[in-house]
Amino acid sequence: NAGVMQNPRHLVRRRGQEARLRCSPMKGHSHVYWYRQLPEEGLKFMVYLQKENIIDESGMPKERFSAEFPKEGPSILRIQQVVRGDSAAYFCASSPRLGQGDSGTEAFFGQGTRLTVV
Amino acid sequence: AQSVSQHNHHVILSEAASLELGCNYSYGGTVNLFWYVQYPGQHLQLLLKYFSGDPLVKGIKGFEAEFIKSKFSFNLRKPSVQWSDTAEYFCAVKDYRDDKIIFGKGTRLHILP
Repeated sequence: NAGVMQNPRHLVRRRGQEARLRCSPMKGHSHVYWYRQLPEEGLKFMVYLQKENIIDESGMPKERFSAEFPKEGPSILRIQQVVRGDSAAYFCASSPRLGQGDSGTEAFFGQGTRLTVV
Repeated sequence: AQSVSQHNHHVILSEAASLELGCNYSYGGTVNLFWYVQYPGQHLQLLLKYFSGDPLVKGIKGFEAEFIKSKFSFNLRKPSVQWSDTAEYFCAVKDYRDDKIIFGKGTRLHILP
């Protein structure tokens, strides 16, 4: 069973271009999280999705950022008109469902995409 | 909103020293708790988790953590660290109000050989 797959591993974009980050969850997982990691700031929650539905996007910047998780295919984090401040590592995690009590399980992480804006 | 505090940003220890990394969270209701580790250049991996039952949780590689509800804490411990434990450690909390997992800022652990 393959783990969470993220691609590309490294992405370089010029200011003003679009960045598309892909995440294929583990087989059987229906929930995806996206996090952004900056040095000394830990992992910042961005968005939580299940297939065809955004559950919580309270961590997403209001402009330029969007996420989707279609019925078929990977989850996509899209950043339009990138700026230098978007440079970071973006991690995706998946879970079957983060349930309550004993039925819960952890989220499994991908290797991340390191975005560099030049 | 839930928040997670990790008290130490950088910790340097010698091999065989004992380790304790602090973690506190803000929401006092029912929570699930996690410690993840990120080795240099790698993705996050789960060290251990607490959902219910015995508040002393044992994880991989000799790590353990104790959930103390009255103190809103979930500190990570290891009696004798090894050079290979050099990594960044993240405490994370999920509470029952929503399904978000919130992470602390991480503790960078450096073990001297």
